[in-house]
Amino acid sequence: EADIYQTPRYLVIGTGKKITLECSQTMGHDKMYWYQQDPGMELHLIHYSYGVNSTEKGDLSSESTVSRIRTEHFPLTLESARPSHTSQYLCASSPQIREGLYEQYFGPGTRLTVT
Amino acid sequence: AQKITQTQPGMFVQEKEAVTLDCTYDTSDPSYGLFWYKQPSSGEMIFLIYQGSYDQQNATEGRYSLNFQKARKSANLVISASQLGDSAMYFCAMREEDSNYQLIWGAGTKLIIKP
Repeated sequence: EADIYQTPRYLVIGTGKKITLECSQTMGHDKMYWYQQDPGMELHLIHYSYGVNSTEKGDLSSESTVSRIRTEHFPLTLESARPSHTSQYLCASSPQIREGLYEQYFGPGTRLTVT
Repeated sequence: AQKITQTQPGMFVQEKEAVTLDCTYDTSDPSYGLFWYKQPSSGEMIFLIYQGSYDQQNATEGRYSLNFQKARKSANLVISASQLGDSAMYFCAMREEDSNYQLIWGAGTKLIIKP
């Protein structure tokens, strides 16, 4: 069973506030990902990391930033939250189990509402 | 063009019946992998099954099987003997060899199992 954690699970915050969504995994996975998902819709990759000090932007433009100072930790920060940031944010990580299989393990998600 | 297409936005199925969720994909990469994930209303993403493009046999995991038709570029998920707990969103995803471990996601199918 995968051990990947996200906090908080739910967050309601006012416009203009700075927020950090936490993601941690205890599996030693090098690769980590952040997805944004509106209810009932597909996932959009917003950030990913292949290891410590490696971060890249994903396909969906996002005003958030990420950091990867430790292997197990991949926080996402919004400097100034806006109602358009209201969404679910899913963190994932992946090992290299065998050639060809790069399964991603997901955290429980953070449901963010910006009022 | 859509790389992953799930044509069924929603499905209702009677409990204990088998159900097939459609997924077609588009890639010119000879090496790729196909994944199915389940997302219950609680929001977490649960990995179900994987099929590699070079795998000779269709993947199976318990009640889940993947009907892989490479020439038609389809990778349908079959759930046998459906249960009420199978009610969820189901996402098909693809990883291409040159994608740097990223997954491309379909829009999902909402499956509701009726008692």
